[in-house]
Amino acid sequence: GEDVEQSLFLSVREGDSSVINCTYTDSSSTYLYWYKQEPGAGLQLLTYIFSNMDMKQDQRLTVLLNKKDKHLSLRIADTQTGDSAIYFCAESSGNTGGFKTIFGAGTRLFVKA
Amino acid sequence: NAGVTQTPKFQVLKTGQSMTLQCAQDMNHNSMYWYRQDPGMGLRLIYYSASEGTTDKGEVPNGYNVSRLNKREFSLRLESAAPSQTSVYFCASSEGSGEAFFGQGTRLTVV
Repeated sequence: GEDVEQSLFLSVREGDSSVINCTYTDSSSTYLYWYKQEPGAGLQLLTYIFSNMDMKQDQRLTVLLNKKDKHLSLRIADTQTGDSAIYFCAESSGNTGGFKTIFGAGTRLFVKA
Repeated sequence: NAGVTQTPKFQVLKTGQSMTLQCAQDMNHNSMYWYRQDPGMGLRLIYYSASEGTTDKGEVPNGYNVSRLNKREFSLRLESAAPSQTSVYFCASSEGSGEAFFGQGTRLTVV
């Protein structure tokens, strides 16, 4: 079945870049997402990439997709203490009959001042 | 525009009790989902509903039932709660494979 894997923890210093990695198994994924979860809250969409793209940049965020290796990464430039959160990688696949979204375990990002 | 609303926010149950978690969305989305979040295990899909009138099992459906009451509402029922069902439950909705919008979560403890 579908599976999404990511490392559980990452610690960086304020001002450094953070890179969070993810691998997935479903080659029919149409969209790949990064969600952010702050303490006590639900998940919110951070950014996404279509499966036919290999890179997307959005201000401090860069998403890289290697479709051959089924590898997705999220780079946060100039990481700030406010970026401390759990980041979830997710893949979505399906057709007009229905879609479902599978999430990874989440990477907890610690930003040290 | 409330988005996705879940009730209750907190609940403590005794083993064997039953309860229903309610979820409603006001974005006219076709797809709705129930996930559970456990430490180190991410979000696991319990059930989803691709459209009104349809429901399908996700990764961890055992011990749960769902009802897609109408396009807005998707409820999750625990018929006989077990300690292994202690978790944080999230409802979400989306349109097709687009962005999923999440509720604030229900923290359930089964003692």
